[in-house]
Amino acid sequence: DVQLVQSGAEVKKPGESLKISCKASGYSFNHYYIGWVRQMPGKGLEWMGIIYPGTSDTRYGPSFQGQVIFSVDKSITTAFLQWSALKASDTGVYYCARMGGRWIDYWGQGTRVTVPS
Amino acid sequence: QSALTQPASVSGFPGQSVSISCTGTSNDIDIYNYVSWYQQHPAKAPKLMIYDASDRPSGVPGRFSGSKSGNTASLTISGLQAEDEADYYCCSHTNNGTFLMFGGGTKLTVL
Repeated sequence: DVQLVQSGAEVKKPGESLKISCKASGYSFNHYYIGWVRQMPGKGLEWMGIIYPGTSDTRYGPSFQGQVIFSVDKSITTAFLQWSALKASDTGVYYCARMGGRWIDYWGQGTRVTVPS
Repeated sequence: QSALTQPASVSGFPGQSVSISCTGTSNDIDIYNYVSWYQQHPAKAPKLMIYDASDRPSGVPGRFSGSKSGNTASLTISGLQAEDEADYYCCSHTNNGTFLMFGGGTKLTVL
């Protein structure tokens, strides 16, 4: 079975760095894009961008270009989302997701990131 | 850039049918059949309900159907059930370089 298991909730201070993870299993990790989606408190889904594990080719949504970094470690079939300096506005739930095509077919359970102002 | 446009809320009684619209532009829905729909219950991860505008993944009830005309896609739920109460998001492939774009979401209330 395809599974995406994300790391646990984080509470960080403004200016701190953070790297959250998404462990994939049950399929060929190198051959499916991984997408990242943000959901701010009480708000809708926002597309952050994608990474192709086979080549690490990335595309960022305009609101996230320069704000976050996507990466993968193929040896442990894990994708990562990282920030170098968190802001209060980064508070939200972050989902990793497998792209079945030009749609998301599997979602992680979400990682809650809280950055108190 | 603007999200795809969805109504903020829709409602219906059990057994009725409801439709949720999703309006895009000439950069997305109008030129691609790559529209998908997701259901999200409170504090849960979203779930794929429709892909490629009208295809249903295995395990999704036949009460859920999708369609597209021009720059507008629609999700129709027939025979509403209490468990259908959730937020629904449309999503489309886009040629603006970001790959995908979500709608703002629609809250479905089963009365």
